[in-house]
Amino acid sequence: EAQVTQNPRYLITVTGKKLTVTCSQNMNHEYMSWYRQDPGLGLRQIYYSMNVEVTDKGDVPEGYKVSRKEKRNFPLILESPSPNQTSLYFCASSPRYVNEQFFGPGTRLTVL
Amino acid sequence: DQQVKQNSPSLSVQEGRISILNCDYTNSMFDYFLWYKKYPAEGPTFLISISSIKDKNEDGRFTVFLNKSAKHLSLHIVPSQPGDSAVYFCAARENNNAGNMLTFGGGTRLMVKP
Repeated sequence: EAQVTQNPRYLITVTGKKLTVTCSQNMNHEYMSWYRQDPGLGLRQIYYSMNVEVTDKGDVPEGYKVSRKEKRNFPLILESPSPNQTSLYFCASSPRYVNEQFFGPGTRLTVL
Repeated sequence: DQQVKQNSPSLSVQEGRISILNCDYTNSMFDYFLWYKKYPAEGPTFLISISSIKDKNEDGRFTVFLNKSAKHLSLHIVPSQPGDSAVYFCAARENNNAGNMLTFGGGTRLMVKP
């Protein structure tokens, strides 16, 4: 089944404790991205990657890191999480220059 | 400043009637628009899209209308069904080197009452 998977689905952590949210897609898509969803603000893009070893900042990259060492994986790293990073996070992928993106099921992160 | 806005946070309609969800944008460089549907505890799923060279696109019960001069698009669902109850996001793509980068609106929660 073609899908985007994220782990974990739920995470509660404390300020400053490094964490990684994994994202994997099995559709051989070149493009991958991370979004956060906050009430009233919709989905805002954090980082995106147009191919392996190519990443770039989205609209709200502060406090986040990403890497794209393999085509299928695009982990989101929070080196020192803070409470304002409490949010619902979505990973998405698509073939390059295809507008419709496939989304993962989401990761709900709470930073205390 | 949000470039894509959905001014109605929620909308309630009766089953069988028409649902109209609205979206406004400010960036004249947007050339492709999409609607996504999101159920609780799931990721958004693509619903329908429209290119800026068109003013209407239809897919079954769903029709998207684009008014470029007003920088406005709308999603019509006819007839509305209880299973359509979800949050709907409008999204837009700018024609630039960022490839697939999408800008989303804040979402509208649609409730279809039986």
